[in-house]
Amino acid sequence: AQKITQTQPGMFVQEKEAVTLDCTYDTSDQSYGLFWYKQPSSGEMIFLIYQGSYDEQNATEGRYSLNFQKARKSANLVISASQLGDSAMYFCAMREGGGSSNTGKLIFGQGTTLQVKP
Amino acid sequence: EPEVTQTPSHQVTQMGQEVILRCVPISNHLYFYWYRQILGQKVEFLVSFYNNEISEKSEIFDDQFSVERPDGSNFTLKIRSTKLEDSAMYFCASSDWRGSDEQFFGPGTRLTVL
Repeated sequence: AQKITQTQPGMFVQEKEAVTLDCTYDTSDQSYGLFWYKQPSSGEMIFLIYQGSYDEQNATEGRYSLNFQKARKSANLVISASQLGDSAMYFCAMREGGGSSNTGKLIFGQGTTLQVKP
Repeated sequence: EPEVTQTPSHQVTQMGQEVILRCVPISNHLYFYWYRQILGQKVEFLVSFYNNEISEKSEIFDDQFSVERPDGSNFTLKIRSTKLEDSAMYFCASSDWRGSDEQFFGPGTRLTVL
């Protein structure tokens, strides 16, 4: 079974508009972390934002925010005021487990390609 | 700002040859990882490393793979006898602890096996 599901292979958004990239996850652990990374065409993986399972507030980092709905097991990334430079592949990832079972490994979704139109 | 570095950026090798991919994690980080990404696919976990030993490895990380921290700064991934299907982007990552809210990736090494 997929641990991380990103159902949108590709998305378009108009410049300056907001866009939501979907991510759902599957885990039986109580303690876990959710990450979003941006991968531009140059290939590097850029860390964007993190949400811990026990965090009560939704994470925000500049124009990025994470819409965390724990009961629905979703962790959608919201990018406000899209810019042309936001065009990239976006990956959602999960780190499972607390305590000694947690080695820090990340499990990634398939990614969503975002294209920002001028 | 501290960053993870990787060398080389691109490696071309013949099938059956050994390759060593090098990484310099962020200096105060203690947890190190290798991931790979076959072209157009998702990023896959290979191995995690802490306190000079492997803490977890995936099914992909078979006997052809090994990791080493030969000194206080470098972290290497060796593929003993490369196969065509090893062609991928290999990312090194590091974090200060296993429950960290950040895991930083290097720029990757693109490995092409001919």
